[in-house]
Formats: sequence, C-alpha cells, structure tokens
Amino acid sequence: DGGITQSPKYLFRKEGQNVTLSCEQNLNHDAMYWYRQDPGQGLRLIYYSQIVNDFQKGDIAEGYSVSREKKESFPLTVTSAQKNPTAFYLCATKTGANYDQPQHFGDGTRLSIL
Amino acid sequence: GENVEQHPSTLSVQEGDSAVIKCTYSDSASNYFPWYKQELGKRPQLIIDIRSNVGEKKDQRIAVTLNKTAKHFSLHITETQPEDSAVYFCAAISTGRRALTFGSGTRLQVQP
Repeated sequence: DGGITQSPKYLFRKEGQNVTLSCEQNLNHDAMYWYRQDPGQGLRLIYYSQIVNDFQKGDIAEGYSVSREKKESFPLTVTSAQKNPTAFYLCATKTGANYDQPQHFGDGTRLSIL
Repeated sequence: GENVEQHPSTLSVQEGDSAVIKCTYSDSASNYFPWYKQELGKRPQLIIDIRSNVGEKKDQRIAVTLNKTAKHFSLHITETQPEDSAVYFCAAISTGRRALTFGSGTRLQVQP
C-alpha cells in the first residue's frame, strides 16, 4: 500500500518524553486507524477517525492522543503517561463509511524506550 | 464488544501440505471477515475476505469458509510453499462497529 506513509521507521523515546508518529495517506480514504502490535497479541486499536476533526478512542487509548486536522494526516502522540510504549505501531486507512471494506496498512513505526 | 479467538498460535507444515487456521467470534452481528498476512517486519496485507452472505470463497491456493451458526471461520492454504511462511491474522466486524477486531495471529512455517 504505497499510498500510506508512516514515519519514522524507528523511534526512541526517553523517560518523560512525548513522541509523535506520523501517518500520511494519498488514497483519499475517509477512515484512518492506529493499532499497536505486541508479540503474540495481534493488533489492538488505539484510536480511529471517520472524518476530519473527529476521532474516537479504541480499546487501548490511555496514554495516547491523536488529531485529524486534514484528511490526509492522522498523527499519533505517545505521551509520558504511556508507561509501556515499546511496540510496533501500525496506521491503517479505509475508503468510505461502509464497514465491510478492507483496511490498508502502512509499513509501521517501531518505538523503543531508551 | 467483539472478541475474536484464533488457533493455533503456531503451525508448522511440510512444503506441499495443506494448512488450516481457525477463528471464532463472539458477536453474532459480525458479517465481514478479512484475513491478513504479515511477513516479518512488514505491514499486514489483505489476502482474502468473506462476507456473511456466502459460505466459502476461493482465490487460487487460498480459501476461506464461514459457519455463521457456529460463529467460526477458517483459512485454508493448499499446496503450501516456503513463501507462505508468515503470521496470519483473522478479523471480524459488524455493521454497528467502526473498526476491525483482530485475532492474536498464527505463525505459519512451511518447511522445505
């Protein structure tokens, strides 16, 4: 899915620091999602957004924040309140409002604690 | 909310054999079921999906079956090849929800 760009590929966070993961798409998709992937636990939903200026908490939103000021962009901030941020973070998009359309994923950002 | 359980967590087969991965879901309203393949360090990629109005769908060596009564669906890979080695995720969603619920994944290893 070359139309979804996540950056950086690797990110290191110091104690007490907030970091922001970027997700940009040129697919003109309405819906965007952030997932966290830990070994053996599959993908867990952090936040999602169906339209600009609106977003909803997923299953594990504590310690994270997002914004959706533009259709193309859905950045995720990992705050210092997230005590165990080490994981692989995946951004996904989906066209339209229909529930039964596939999600497409970016290449991910691997976040580690320094 | 929806809960999706996936089994087995690891699966090792000989090249040329078939592989079957099973998922069960809890929400009887779920009606869209995609399967994703994730190679090491890469993004998950959709390989096949099924909607609840059909019981089976095939795409070359890959097939998915759905049993709505029992609330389970399965991925079947025939004539496995080493390049099929990856982690496979099932997922489910219903009309009222806005995001997929994923299973915990199955690591498939195809031995040459």
